[in-house]
Amino acid sequence: DIQMTQSPSSVSASVGDRVTITCRASQGISSWLAWYQQKPGKAPKLLIYAASSLQSGVPSRFSGSGSGTDFTLTISSLQPEDFATYFCQQANSFPVTFGQGTRLEIK
Amino acid sequence: EEQLVESGGGLVQPGRSLRLSCAASGFNIDDYAMHWVRQAPGKGLEWVSGISWNSDTIGYADSVKGRFTISRDNAKNSLYLQMNSLRAEDTALYYCAKDILLRMGGLPNGMDVWGQGTTVTVSS
Repeated sequence: DIQMTQSPSSVSASVGDRVTITCRASQGISSWLAWYQQKPGKAPKLLIYAASSLQSGVPSRFSGSGSGTDFTLTISSLQPEDFATYFCQQANSFPVTFGQGTRLEIK
Repeated sequence: EEQLVESGGGLVQPGRSLRLSCAASGFNIDDYAMHWVRQAPGKGLEWVSGISWNSDTIGYADSVKGRFTISRDNAKNSLYLQMNSLRAEDTALYYCAKDILLRMGGLPNGMDVWGQGTTVTVSS
């Protein structure tokens, strides 16, 4: 199985900050990676698919990059509504696996 | 508006069975791969199973393989998850989700529509 490791597990930041979350796959997954945002009590929301494709309706301050084993999700200027937990997910092979999550908190 | 509504969750004893359903509206599921994802209380996301648009490709998490069966009824625009031999560790909120890309295989390129989830509690 492909293991997905996110870092950091949690991060504190302020409105307006630039934040980067990384996701590392235990083996190469090409660009088969998606990123999700989840707020408490809500279903996950798709942000990025195919490593760098922005989902329709998602603000352009979100961006994704990477291929192979190393990926990043960047939020260019944090807004109050961005404080949430973020997950990466590989779509290269079964079984599909998620990262453990990164909790983004207000500083 | 594209929507998914799960049902069928509840409290069940270990070793028993449960069948989850997911009804879609606003789109035809027969154009998309569909998936089940679960989340135990206070934990992260765990993909459970996925089925390609034409049912040719099906995958399961190692933790449920041999116990759970995914299926779809395109005529009813619905997705199902038959869960047998349930264990305490299957306790979770179960979401169904739609793949973002049209007519792709069983792997989730990205899941863009999610239901609100249905809760399964396995306890004696």
